[in-house]
Amino acid sequence: GAGVSQSPRYKVAKRGQDVALRCDPISGHVSLFWYQQALGQGPEFLTYFQNEAQLDKSGLPSDRFFAERPEGSVSTLKIQRTQQEDSAVYLCASSLDTGSGEKLFFGSGTQLSVL
Amino acid sequence: DQQVKQNSPSLSVQEGRISILNCDYTNSMFDYFLWYKKYPAEGPTFLISISSIKDKNEDGRFTVFLNKSAKHLSLHIVPSQPGDSAVYFCAADNTNAGKSTFGDGTTLTVKP
Repeated sequence: GAGVSQSPRYKVAKRGQDVALRCDPISGHVSLFWYQQALGQGPEFLTYFQNEAQLDKSGLPSDRFFAERPEGSVSTLKIQRTQQEDSAVYLCASSLDTGSGEKLFFGSGTQLSVL
Repeated sequence: DQQVKQNSPSLSVQEGRISILNCDYTNSMFDYFLWYKKYPAEGPTFLISISSIKDKNEDGRFTVFLNKSAKHLSLHIVPSQPGDSAVYFCAADNTNAGKSTFGDGTTLTVKP
């Protein structure tokens, strides 16, 4: 497809379960971002890749969160031992280039519910 | 410490009138600002942007104004249409940071 694709669209996990969220960015886009969006709030930065290099992971809430983009294309966000506070929409975005002012193309997100 | 603030959670306007959405920021290192529009169950989509070296950028019915001294920007939609009803997010970039910082959004409702 032409846009950013995320899967699954919805994920229900039991507390303590591990989950993996996938992002397929737009082909050729250098930068890839993960954001977490809680209900009623704006997207909060989690981590950023430039090609396969993870340049910034300062937004990851704990060491239970891990992201990778091994070949500089598809990315996976993994959450280990999920907690109820992890419930949110996880948005992936890509941009053509790096630097300030590059507009982001977002996927539709993965809505994670931890019971 | 929220660096980008949208103080109005919601705004309701009549079709054909002007919609003005506001955004304030605290970090003087921000040098580029973007507005995104979000419909339910979709990701945000880019609407319009402005560099800190400008004070106005216009694209059709959408105009963004930047007041650097006040650390304030606004999005004007004229005329407003029912299809503009959505959540609008203000975002700010810092050249050295590589990431966008978002406000919490304003829900715009345009009534026919």
